[in-house]
Amino acid sequence: GEDVEQSLFLSVREGDSSVINCTYTDSSSTYLYWYKQEPGAGLQLLTYIFSNMDMKQDQRLTVLLNKKDKHLSLRIADTQTGDSAIYFCAESRDNTDKLIFGTGTRLQVFP
Amino acid sequence: DTGVSQDPRHKITKRGQNVTFRCDPISEHNRLYWYRQTLGQGPEFLTYFQNEAQLEKSRLLSDRFSAERPKGSFSTLEIQRTEQGDSAMYLCASSSWTKPNNEQFFGPGTRLTVL
Repeated sequence: GEDVEQSLFLSVREGDSSVINCTYTDSSSTYLYWYKQEPGAGLQLLTYIFSNMDMKQDQRLTVLLNKKDKHLSLRIADTQTGDSAIYFCAESRDNTDKLIFGTGTRLQVFP
Repeated sequence: DTGVSQDPRHKITKRGQNVTFRCDPISEHNRLYWYRQTLGQGPEFLTYFQNEAQLEKSRLLSDRFSAERPKGSFSTLEIQRTEQGDSAMYLCASSSWTKPNNEQFFGPGTRLTVL
């Protein structure tokens, strides 16, 4: 994703919160998404946020969107070992239906 | 709802051979997408269909790649004269036009290895 950037790795202790960050460049983004990919598995949609919102909470997941800075974050509360995976942010734009993905952040949760 | 399925899950081929992959979307979804994912990267868009019409193609989709969705249900992606650079995971996704958030559901992918 040349227009969507993420840090490559994040390591957290079980029970702590994880925060995964993403920056994008296109101001015409309409929806922003977080997907999870486990080894050997397809992409699983975790949550999404409309570009007019600045926060969305869904159980242990909190998405924050700063549209001015084009910054998106995903907070996972009480991180568990089962949360270990690669997390991708993605955006859709108002002139296309394709998704533009970031490079992914590998989250490692240790006991 | 059985989710998006793809076949085969793995394909090993020799350079120069042709390969074809199949994707079956979620049954009520009228949009179908193909993406390619290489190691350490996020998925990159290749092409998408609304019903049987191919509405958008990426410049990544060279002349050797062709996709079809003849009856607006399953889709095939063919790669002719494969090259080692075609080795990747090919992902299919589907969505419904009735959902304004365009949430796309992905299949497990077809991993292609070109020797």
